[in-house]
Amino acid sequence: QVHLVQSGAEVKKPGASVKVSCEASGYTFSGHYIHWVRQAPGQGLEWMGWINPERGDTKYAQKFQGGVIMTGDTSTNRVYMELSRLTSDDTAVYYCAYAVGIYSWFDSWGQGTLVIVSS
Amino acid sequence: QSALTQPASVSGSPGQSINISCSGLSSGVGSYDFVSWYQQYPGKAPKVMIYEVSKRPSGVSNRFSGSKSGSTASLTISGLQSEDEADYYCCSYVSISTYVFGTGTTVTVV
Repeated sequence: QVHLVQSGAEVKKPGASVKVSCEASGYTFSGHYIHWVRQAPGQGLEWMGWINPERGDTKYAQKFQGGVIMTGDTSTNRVYMELSRLTSDDTAVYYCAYAVGIYSWFDSWGQGTLVIVSS
Repeated sequence: QSALTQPASVSGSPGQSINISCSGLSSGVGSYDFVSWYQQYPGKAPKVMIYEVSKRPSGVSNRFSGSKSGSTASLTISGLQSEDEADYYCCSYVSISTYVFGTGTTVTVV
């Protein structure tokens, strides 16, 4: 059973960056993927991208290219999602989700991390 | 890639069956059958209910079923129960290793 635990809520000022972590247990990173999905208040789910932590490969949605960096640390079974140049539109709950392969579904989810961007 | 289109809301009475559509999928040669459906309660993380169009994960009620025809996928909930009140999202692999979610549907049991 894959279990994902995310870091706590963050409050950031416009223009700043935020780094959210996602720690996995119950499996090893080998061959698997961690996706990031966000949900603005009262809005739907938005796919941001994925990372293969073992290889370091990443793929970002076009909207987030140049603004997001996903990294992984296999020694701690953690992945990170860093979003830069924050605006109020980035206020959202950010989820990490586990997928078994590149053509897959999101089998397990973290509890979500609320990021508030406010001056 | 724009979000897939879902009805904003669907309602039904206990025991009835409802369908939630998800349109805008790739169809024909080169299309993918990597459509999944997620249930989300307020303030909670989503949970996969259907994957690869019609497969049900272990532990998910057999009242939930999925299908796809052309560029539209559907989630059917039969024997509707009060606990099925939630938001539902479809998701599809698109191309070049990217994914897209649907706009989401709120299910109400009246």
